[in-house]
Amino acid sequence: KAGVTQTPRYLIKTRGQQVTLSCSPISGHRSVSWYQQTPGQGLQFLFEYFSETQRNKGNFPGRFSGRQFSNSRSEMNVSTLELGDSALYLCASSPLGGETQYFGPGTRLLVL
Amino acid sequence: AQTVTQSQPEMSVQEAETVTLSCTYDTSESDYYLFWYKQPPSRQMILVIRQEAYKQQNATENRFSVNFQKAAKSFSLKISDSQLGDAAMYFCAYMYAGGTSYGKLTFGQGTILTVHP
Repeated sequence: KAGVTQTPRYLIKTRGQQVTLSCSPISGHRSVSWYQQTPGQGLQFLFEYFSETQRNKGNFPGRFSGRQFSNSRSEMNVSTLELGDSALYLCASSPLGGETQYFGPGTRLLVL
Repeated sequence: AQTVTQSQPEMSVQEAETVTLSCTYDTSESDYYLFWYKQPPSRQMILVIRQEAYKQQNATENRFSVNFQKAAKSFSLKISDSQLGDAAMYFCAYMYAGGTSYGKLTFGQGTILTVHP
């Protein structure tokens, strides 16, 4: 089976812009989780989607949002980018959401 | 709230030797999973090993094994016969197995492992 894929792999934006990141889960996996990784805060959970519904959400401002499509592909959006949003964004998929997660290669976002 | 603590920011080991990475966690739940993930310089997060809390037997995957002490809330990773390819950041992670905590892993701060030839 193909692994989790994320696009784009690298992105440079300026403050105030918005960005959309995409994640395609492993075939058959219906749960997609998103994480932000920074040197200062480490790995932090953003949100989880299952069958097009957000079931769980981390402690991030409303500028961070996401959605999931009927084919389980997921997107996350960050509006009004801030310098502090520069990070590696990882998505992970699992069959149902309550077990082992498999990660994609990540999208590295740089906000200037 | 659940927390995961890795007290060793950095560890080093000689090739072919054995190294143990430490992890402690705090939770009031009894049903959960614990994981070790490896993140090499490519930044791809790779699953190393998983442990279900209800299982008393320690998980083993080839050269990787864990020492799971549920009462002490301790979950250490032992790497035997270390190889150069084991060099990476290692993360300990916790997931609650019930309720509404769907799809949420709580990670420790990570331990950088260096393997010397």
